[in-house]
Amino acid sequence: QKEVEQNSGPLSVPEGAIASLNCTYSDRGSQSFFWYRQYSGKSPELIMSIYSNGDKEDGRFTAQLNKASQYVSLLIRDSQPSDSATYLCAVNRAGNMLTFGGGTRLMVKP
Amino acid sequence: SQTIHQWPATLVQPVGSPLSLECTVEGTSNPNLYWYRQAAGRGLQLLFYSVGIGQISSEVPQNLSASRPQDRQFILSSKKLLLSDSGFYLCAWSLTGPLGYGYTFGSGTRLTVV
Repeated sequence: QKEVEQNSGPLSVPEGAIASLNCTYSDRGSQSFFWYRQYSGKSPELIMSIYSNGDKEDGRFTAQLNKASQYVSLLIRDSQPSDSATYLCAVNRAGNMLTFGGGTRLMVKP
Repeated sequence: SQTIHQWPATLVQPVGSPLSLECTVEGTSNPNLYWYRQAAGRGLQLLFYSVGIGQISSEVPQNLSASRPQDRQFILSSKKLLLSDSGFYLCAWSLTGPLGYGYTFGSGTRLTVV
């Protein structure tokens, strides 16, 4: 079992819809969780961090954390073609180390 | 504010040639530093990380090495490149703390070994 799992996609949504990206992790001791966006040919960019159970909203992005079920999700409201990218989930492990999932490719179609 | 610089942006090197990639961070002290590689269409592979000057931990044994000669400088090297070393190399930094912080990545170096 991979430590951090994501569906590789592609996840295709129409413009204006809500995109829902999911991530599960295996280490119950994980305490911090991050979402990165990576455009093709570019480096990953941190877009959200979440540390507590529940929802955290930032503009069109909402991160959701459920530690009991060991999953993290990212919702993107009013999806735009510019949101088309690969989204990486990252989970901390011991010693300030992050473990990255393989990423989900999101395609937003006009 | 903190910034991370990574160069060169692209590099084409012949098999068997040496490699040196450099990364520097500004605006912070004693950061954790990381080198990742991303093969085409693949995930991030952690190569090395450093929690301080001269302190290097290797995640994957291979023909690459890393050094941290100064607090905010991280260098990735190879004496002889292999075709399999081609990829997108990313340097990253983070703060340290009990809950953990996200990493900030440099702009990356795309290495093609021919």
